[in-house]
Amino acid sequence: EVQLVESGGGLVQPGGSLRLSCAASGFTFNTYAMHWVRQAPGKGLEYVSAISSNGVSTYYANSVKGRFTISRDNSNNTLYLQMGSLRADDMAVYYCARRASYSKYWGQGTLVTVSS
Amino acid sequence: EIVLAQSPGTLSLSPAERATLSCTASQSLSSSTLAWYQQKPGQAPRLLIYGVSSRATGTPDRFSGSGSGTDFTLTISRLEPEDFAMYYCQQYDSSPPYSFGQGTKLEIK
Repeated sequence: EVQLVESGGGLVQPGGSLRLSCAASGFTFNTYAMHWVRQAPGKGLEYVSAISSNGVSTYYANSVKGRFTISRDNSNNTLYLQMGSLRADDMAVYYCARRASYSKYWGQGTLVTVSS
Repeated sequence: EIVLAQSPGTLSLSPAERATLSCTASQSLSSSTLAWYQQKPGQAPRLLIYGVSSRATGTPDRFSGSGSGTDFTLTISRLEPEDFAMYYCQQYDSSPPYSFGQGTKLEIK
């Protein structure tokens, strides 16, 4: 069974940093690209970042470019999102998902709250 | 960057009625690179349709997708109570990041 479990969300002050993790199981992690999608409270879905299966290629939405870094550890089947210079409009539930394009498999999400 | 516009913003219908949701892209998709998701409160999105018209595993056959170029449609032939939810289209043309539409809320009339 494919499982994606996010962790690392929480309360952070504006300007602060946070690292999200996504633990994957039930599939051969190192053969799939992965991505992050976020959803601000009461808002729609926003594609944040993607990474190729080997970690060489990375992609970012303009809204996070230069502040967020996506990475992966294929030996531990884990996807990461390092978030820096956090702003109020980064507050959202962050989901990881399998593949870089459409995905049948999503995690349950982790909430990031940016507030002083 | 491809922008997706969904209409209507809210659709009010009764069970057993037919629902038609639209998604318009700001530029033509080079191939069948459009998906549809359903999302209920507090849940992750659920993939319904990919490749414009292919149903994901477990998607009931009352859901169908169609379209090409810039205009795409999700049709629910006969609404069931569990179909009332938010619906998002997503394009995955060329390379990431891929965009979502702003969503259509399907509510019970």
